[in-house]
Amino acid sequence: GAGVSQSPRYKVAKRGQDVALRCDPISGHVSLFWYQQALGQGPEFLTYFQNEAQLDKSGLPSDRFFAERPEGSVSTLKIQRTQQEDSAVYLCASSQGRFPGLAAISSYNEQFFGPGTRLTVL
Amino acid sequence: SQQGEEDPQALSIQEGENATMNCSYKTSINNLQWYRQNSGRGLVHLILIRSNEREKHSGRLRVTLDTSKKSSSLLITASRAADTASYFCAPAGGANSKLTFGKGITLSVRP
Repeated sequence: GAGVSQSPRYKVAKRGQDVALRCDPISGHVSLFWYQQALGQGPEFLTYFQNEAQLDKSGLPSDRFFAERPEGSVSTLKIQRTQQEDSAVYLCASSQGRFPGLAAISSYNEQFFGPGTRLTVL
Repeated sequence: SQQGEEDPQALSIQEGENATMNCSYKTSINNLQWYRQNSGRGLVHLILIRSNEREKHSGRLRVTLDTSKKSSSLLITASRAADTASYFCAPAGGANSKLTFGKGITLSVRP
């Protein structure tokens, strides 16, 4: 498949457990974003990578949240000592975002979303 | 904030009718994107309009942007039951920056 994939699709964790969520972006996409979506709400930005560099992590809600993309492709979002308020759908998106000169092309900015990982913390 | 705020929160129409959804935002933008989300397909990109564009079409979709009023609208013509979903607008401050979504509009199209 050529789309963004995420795993696992569903994760149930006991409060206090650590979890790791994986995102496989579209091959060749430079930019990768993580969003958190609570029930009945729109997605909220968590963090952004350009290749392996984490350029913006302003949306991470606490230091229990950590994201990495060590080789500039697959990314992992890790949540330590999960709490009930962490229950949400975690969405990953990627976009081409490669050359500033291509910014005039609409598709350059389009973010392609994965199906999400639904995390339930008991 | 740059967050998009959609209006109305919910919309119910008959199949074949047109659906108009509105979005407002507060700061300057580089582009604004509309997305659709349903349980079957996740979040799907519909259309992107840049700040120097006023109107854009894609199939049955028409998006307008008024930067002076900081507002955008999404029109779906000849709606179908399959258009039933939540719709989000997402303003973006930079050419390749994070998206800030509102709470979305729940559209129900009755067969």
